[in-house]
Amino acid sequence: AQTVTQSQPEMSVQEAETVTLSCTYDTSESDYYLFWYKQPPSRQMILVIRQEAYKQQNATENRFSVNFQKAAKSFSLKISDSQLGDAAMYFCAYGGWDSNYQLIWGAGTKLIIKP
Amino acid sequence: DSGVTQTPKHLITATGQRVTLRCSPRSGDLSVYWYQQSLDQGLQFLIQYYNGEERAKGNILERFSAQQFPDLHSELNLSSLELGDSALYFCASSPATSGGDADTQYFGPGTRLTVL
Repeated sequence: AQTVTQSQPEMSVQEAETVTLSCTYDTSESDYYLFWYKQPPSRQMILVIRQEAYKQQNATENRFSVNFQKAAKSFSLKISDSQLGDAAMYFCAYGGWDSNYQLIWGAGTKLIIKP
Repeated sequence: DSGVTQTPKHLITATGQRVTLRCSPRSGDLSVYWYQQSLDQGLQFLIQYYNGEERAKGNILERFSAQQFPDLHSELNLSSLELGDSALYFCASSPATSGGDADTQYFGPGTRLTVL
C-alpha cells in the first residue's frame, strides 16, 4: 500500500533561518505527483509546492524549494529565510496511478518559528 | 483565495440531527473531494465525485452521503450525528481525475461542525 511518512511531528526554527521538513513515500510507480500543503492556524489548506516525478528539476516557489530524491523516495521541503507567517502544519501528499490518483497524506509536521 | 467556496463556515447542532454542507468548486473543475479533519489530526479522505458521478470512496461512514449536481456543486449530508463527528470538513476541487494539473487539489476554507 502507498504510504507517506513525515517523521518529524514538530520542528522549530529561528526567524530568518532555513529549515527542512522531511517526507518519504512508498510506491512502485515511476510517474506520480508529490505535494506540500500548508495549514496555518486559520486551518485553511494552502498548496505550497508541487513536483512531478518525471521532472528531474526540483520545484521552487519563492522561498520554498524541494529536494526530490526519486531513488530514495524522499521529498523534503526547504524553507529559506523563515518568517513568522510560515508557522503552520505542513502536510506532504502523494498521488499516482497506484493510488487511483487519490492523494495519500502524511501525518503532518508542525513548524514553529521563533522570533 | 483558492476559488473553492464552502457554506456554512460554522455549524452547531445536536446529536441525532442531520446537516448538509455545500461546496462550489473552482470554475472549470470537474472533480470534488470531501475530507474530514478532527482536531489536531490529519486529513481523512471521505469521497470524490467527478462530473456528477462517484469516483472514489474513502473512510466515509454509512451515515454520511454526498452528491454532485449538474452545475458541479456538491453537498455532503451527515445524519444521525454523534459527538465524534465534530470536525472540520473540507471540500477540494481539481480539473479532472488524473494527469497534469488535474491532480492538484485546491481546498475551500472548510466548514467547522460542532455536535453538542
